[in-house]
Amino acid sequence: KNEVEQSPQNLTAQEGEFITINCSYSVGISALHWLQQHPGGGIVSLFMLSSGKKKHGRLIATINIQEKHSSLHITASHPRDSAVYICAVPLNAGGTSYGKLTFGQGTILTVHP
Amino acid sequence: DVKVTQSSRYLVKRTGEKVFLECVQDMDHENMFWYRQDPGLGLRLIYFSYDVKMKEKGDIPEGYSVSREKKERFSLILESASTNQTSMYLCASSRNGRNYGYTFGSGTRLTVV
Repeated sequence: KNEVEQSPQNLTAQEGEFITINCSYSVGISALHWLQQHPGGGIVSLFMLSSGKKKHGRLIATINIQEKHSSLHITASHPRDSAVYICAVPLNAGGTSYGKLTFGQGTILTVHP
Repeated sequence: DVKVTQSSRYLVKRTGEKVFLECVQDMDHENMFWYRQDPGLGLRLIYFSYDVKMKEKGDIPEGYSVSREKKERFSLILESASTNQTSMYLCASSRNGRNYGYTFGSGTRLTVV
C-alpha cells in the first residue's frame, strides 16, 4: 500500500514570502496530484504531474520520480493562498487503479498580511 | 465549465435516519468516488464505481452503500445514520487512462445529531 507523507503539517508565513511544501511517497507512481482546499470549501485540483515541473501563476510543482519526492512552491505568497494543500498519488501504481488516490495528511498554510 | 456537483452543501440529519448524498458529473467520466474527510485522518475512500452498476469497497465502507444507475450519477447512502458519520463527504470523478482528469465536488458537510 502506498504511503504519502507531507511536510510541514502546519506552515505560517508573511505575505510575500516564498513557500515550499514537500511530499514523499513510498512506491513508484504514474502521476502525483496537488490539491487545494480553502477553509470550509471543496477541493480543487491544482496540478497533476508525472515528471519535471509545472507552473500556473504563482504556483510551481516539481517532481523527482527517482527520489519519490514532489514539492509545491508558492512565490510571492498572499493571504488568499491560505488553505490546506494536499498531495495524492494513485493506488496500485502501474496497474489498473481506476484513479483511486491515496492522500497525504495535508499542509495547513496560513499567510498573514 | 466541467464539474462535479454535490446536491447539498450542508445537511443535518437525526440518528437512525436513512441519508442520501447525491453526486452528478457532466464530464462523461467512467470512474466516480466517495471520500470522507476528518480532522487528523485526512481523506479516506468509502466506495468507488468504475462503470454503471459496478461498485467496489474502499477503505471504510462499513455503514455505507452506493448506487450508480446512470453514468453521471453516484449516490452514497447511509442506511441508518450515526453520530460517527458526522463528516465532510467529497465526491470525485475521473476517466480511465494515465491522464485521469480527476475532479472533486465542493463537498457535503453532514452533521448527525
